[in-house]
Amino acid sequence: DVKVTQSSRYLVKRTGEKVFLECVQDMDHENMFWYRQDPGLGLRLIYFSYDVKMKEKGDIPEGYSVSREKKERFSLILESASTNQTSMYLCASSLASVETQYFGPGTRLLVL
Amino acid sequence: AQSVTQLDSQVPVFEEAPVELRCNYSSSVSVYLFWYVQYPNQGLQLLLKYLSGSTLVKGINGFEAEFNKSQTSFHLRKPSVHISDTAEYFCAVTLANTGNQFYFGTGTSLTVIP
Repeated sequence: DVKVTQSSRYLVKRTGEKVFLECVQDMDHENMFWYRQDPGLGLRLIYFSYDVKMKEKGDIPEGYSVSREKKERFSLILESASTNQTSMYLCASSLASVETQYFGPGTRLLVL
Repeated sequence: AQSVTQLDSQVPVFEEAPVELRCNYSSSVSVYLFWYVQYPNQGLQLLLKYLSGSTLVKGINGFEAEFNKSQTSFHLRKPSVHISDTAEYFCAVTLANTGNQFYFGTGTSLTVIP
């Protein structure tokens, strides 16, 4: 079974802090994704990566950056957290284009 | 541009009754279609997907969906729901020729009433 893990289930940070969300997959998948999930808005793509050191902006990249130094790990960085970044963050991976995305359990981030 | 519309944000249904969750998409090119389910406090998991072939797709837990190209729809159905089907359901599309980016609907919250 594919396993996608996220470093924290719940996180509380203060405005202005730098926040790192980590995601690791164990199936040698090429593609990795970061989404945020908000009530009534569904999932919105922040960034995705189709290879090590490669990244593409999604629909809402503002205020976020990503890092993929190793194939199995994809990090989401909030350079200076703001209250409007309070949300559920979901990481996903897929073997290749069009393939099923496998999701982690999510990180619920609260920015005070 | 691609978009996915889930018309019903909340669907209450009695146990053992049938249910249909609606999904419509807009795209000028061929798409692949997916339904995901999210149980409380969990990530999303795949229910079923349509890539090609038969337009009726069967998935896990007794769910099925039918791809209707003329109506640009991919509605999810189950003939008899259980309490354990209570969850959030998301429809998603990706472009057939590139496929890197998935576009998700806003979700439908299914509540099964005992």
